[in-house]
Amino acid sequence: EAGVAQSPRYKIIEKRQSVAFWCNPISGHATLYWYQQILGQGPKLLIQFQNNGVVDDSQLPKDRFSAERLKGVDSTLKIQPAKLEDSAVYLCASSAIQNEQFFGPGTRLTVL
Amino acid sequence: AQSVTQLGSHVSVSEGALVLLRCNYSSSVPPYLFWYVQYPNQGLQLLLKYTTGATLVKGINGFEAEFKKSETSFHLTKPSAHMSDAAEYFCAVSEAGRRALTFGSGTRLQVQP
Repeated sequence: EAGVAQSPRYKIIEKRQSVAFWCNPISGHATLYWYQQILGQGPKLLIQFQNNGVVDDSQLPKDRFSAERLKGVDSTLKIQPAKLEDSAVYLCASSAIQNEQFFGPGTRLTVL
Repeated sequence: AQSVTQLGSHVSVSEGALVLLRCNYSSSVPPYLFWYVQYPNQGLQLLLKYTTGATLVKGINGFEAEFKKSETSFHLTKPSAHMSDAAEYFCAVSEAGRRALTFGSGTRLQVQP
């Protein structure tokens, strides 16, 4: 079974630029999550999708972050414009109903 | 609201010694509890989980954890540390039926030869 795929693995941008991350969950997993992991901290949930609907986006900074999950499969997380404090690893995870979450390798974002 | 506290951001043990990583949680409903391991430049891998039933749960790589409701704890142990256990360990909680995880700040385990 293929795992959760994420791209790119690394991204360096300057502040005020835009960036997008892509996630392909495990086939058949209805639930998809985006987490932000700042250096030295545990991951923090940004947004949770159930199929292509948003379940929880209470911690997503909506003035600059957006996410979508087209057709209930792949998902894209966008930051526009980026700030220095957005430097972090962005983790995507997926789960089947009632089951554990499987994490992708993450995208490491550096904002200069 | 849920929260997780991991005591000790860094733990160092000798190879062959007992590993004990501490985790305390708060939750207003019966929790689901998890331990994840993260190796450098990799995603999180599930070590073990508690949902219901037996309070002592066994995971991969010889790790186990015990859910103690009275102490609101879910400490991770391994009888004998191996060099390959060196990594970052995260404790996490979710409310039953709501699958998003709330993570602790992590504990970096060092294993000395």
